[in-house]
Amino acid sequence: NAGVTQTPKFQVLKTGQSMTLQCAQDMNHEYMSWYRQDPGMGLRLIHYSVGAGITDQGEVPNGYNVSRSTTEDFPLRLLSAAPSQTSVYFCASRKNPGASNQPQHFGDGTRLSIL
Amino acid sequence: AQSVSQHNHHVILSEAASLELGCNYSYGGTVNLFWYVQYPGQHLQLLLKYFSGDPLVKGIKGFEAEFIKSKFSFNLRKPSVQWSDTAEYFCAVEAAGGYQKVTFGTGTKLQVIP
Repeated sequence: NAGVTQTPKFQVLKTGQSMTLQCAQDMNHEYMSWYRQDPGMGLRLIHYSVGAGITDQGEVPNGYNVSRSTTEDFPLRLLSAAPSQTSVYFCASRKNPGASNQPQHFGDGTRLSIL
Repeated sequence: AQSVSQHNHHVILSEAASLELGCNYSYGGTVNLFWYVQYPGQHLQLLLKYFSGDPLVKGIKGFEAEFIKSKFSFNLRKPSVQWSDTAEYFCAVEAAGGYQKVTFGTGTKLQVIP
């Protein structure tokens, strides 16, 4: 059971480049989310999804797109990278919070630097 | 929308000292509460959670937390810390019921000196 898998673990981009951070889970979790972690600011929710085909914005969605075509995958896209997006990105998943008292499972993170 | 405050940003303790990290939340309804720990270079791991029932919650590695509804608090405690407890600790809250967003506090860095 791999849990939540994020790729890549590290990435350096130039301003204006685009890229996709991958997130996959094998636990059949309905709910998936993306956070960014910045020093002194904790984790901030970027986007989340309550199931395939359904996504919604979190606290800091600007500059990021997501899609959820399958239950397993929840990629995060940076369309035009900016230095302000330098951060550590975490993907998380959980079972339907309304159906079970289960917390989120986190991936190992992607450390992204924008030059 | 809910919010979480962690007032201690950096705590330094000697081994065997007792620990209490503060967490206060803001939300008018029923909440679920969490404490996560992040060891250096690793992802977040759940320490303990409160959904309902006994307000004193015991988690892994000897940690516990008490939910005091009247104070909107969920403080984390450990009677005797070890060097291996050096990590960053995050309190989180979500409005109970259905699909809800989890809001994290800004974290408390704990440094335990041998």
